[in-house]
Amino acid sequence: GDSVTQMEGPVTLSEEAFLTINCTYTATGYPSLFWYVQYPGEGLQLLLKATKADDKGSNKGFEATYRKETTSFHLEKGSVQVSDSAVYFCALSPSYSGGGADGLTFGKGTHLIIQP
Amino acid sequence: DAGVTQSPTHLIKTRGQQVTLRCSPKSGHDTVSWYQQALGQGPQFIFQYYEEEERQRGNFPDRFSGHQFPNYSSELNVNALLLGDSALYLCASSLEGQETQYFGPGTRLLVL
Repeated sequence: GDSVTQMEGPVTLSEEAFLTINCTYTATGYPSLFWYVQYPGEGLQLLLKATKADDKGSNKGFEATYRKETTSFHLEKGSVQVSDSAVYFCALSPSYSGGGADGLTFGKGTHLIIQP
Repeated sequence: DAGVTQSPTHLIKTRGQQVTLRCSPKSGHDTVSWYQQALGQGPQFIFQYYEEEERQRGNFPDRFSGHQFPNYSSELNVNALLLGDSALYLCASSLEGQETQYFGPGTRLLVL
């Protein structure tokens, strides 16, 4: 079945450092890929998405590129802030059939801690 | 524009009891999905409702059931609660024909 693997956390960085959180996936066909962020005590917020190979999703300074050849969707940010501290989840949706959103498959999450 | 809302925010139950969680989708959305997030884990897909019917289901036992109402709101029911059912239950809504799902804040269930 489909699966998503993320780098284990916690990841601790200093403010203004460069961030990479690795995500790889296993799926048939052409899934859509997502990054969600979960702040303490809150639900998940969509951060960015990409629906086909070589697409780049971006939002709030974060970026991720859909790499089909390496089945990866790594999250990057050039300069992190303390407010970026949260848990980040990589997720996939099976090949889009046009019928609507499918159940998402999530990775285990990466806890990011940014120190001042 | 109201987002996805869930009630209650917290709940404590005893093993063997039954529980009902509620979800109101984002305005204009017609599809509701439910997820279980155990502590320190990613969410696991339970099932999805569209047009008042269960359209997809993840790998969860029949103790987990649901319902969708004509106004698109939804309920998640769990019977014969086990200690392992303790988790954050997340509801997500989407619009038919679109992939992106929007999540509510969740209901934290503790089974003693």
